[in-house]
Amino acid sequence: GDSVTQMEGPVTLSEEAFLTINCTYTATGYPSLFWYVQYPGEGLQLLLKATKADDKGSNKGFEATYRKETTSFHLEKGSVQVSDSAVYFCALPLDSGGGADGLTFGKGTHLIIQP
Amino acid sequence: DADVTQTPRNRITKTGKRIMLECSQTKGHDRMYWYRQDPGLGLQLIYYSFDVKDINKGEISDGYSVSRQAQAKFSLSLESAIPNQTALYFCATSERTSEAFFGQGTRLTVV
Repeated sequence: GDSVTQMEGPVTLSEEAFLTINCTYTATGYPSLFWYVQYPGEGLQLLLKATKADDKGSNKGFEATYRKETTSFHLEKGSVQVSDSAVYFCALPLDSGGGADGLTFGKGTHLIIQP
Repeated sequence: DADVTQTPRNRITKTGKRIMLECSQTKGHDRMYWYRQDPGLGLQLIYYSFDVKDINKGEISDGYSVSRQAQAKFSLSLESAIPNQTALYFCATSERTSEAFFGQGTRLTVV
């Protein structure tokens, strides 16, 4: 089945540092790709998404580009803030071939931003 | 009010007990899901439902059952809880493969 691999944390950065969280996927076809964020004590919320190759999703200063050639969807931000401290999940449809529904997630990357 | 509401938020139960986790949504979506989150493992799909008459098993359905009482309500049951079902449980809704909306989670501890 389709799957996601993302770098594991924790990732600790200083405020205003550049962030990259790597995500690669295996899938049948060209599924939509997602980044979700989970703040402490909360559920997941969509951060950004891309629906086709070469699309760039962006939100709150975060960006990710759907790279078909490298099957990647890396998350980047130019200058992180303490408030960005959270767990980040890369995800794609469980079965991009149109079978099962739902999402499959990477294991999550815990990001810690220090003042 | 939250779009997706889960109750209870926290629950401690004993091994062998039956427990039900409830979820209700105001998004008007037909599709609802139950996920389980374990530290370092991401989220895994337990069950999903396209409508009140369509229930489907996910990746890890053993030991769980669900009921879709209405379009807006989807409950998860553990018939006989065991300690390795201790986890954080999330309900979610969506319109097919578009954005999923998650509840705040239920932290379940089985002792």
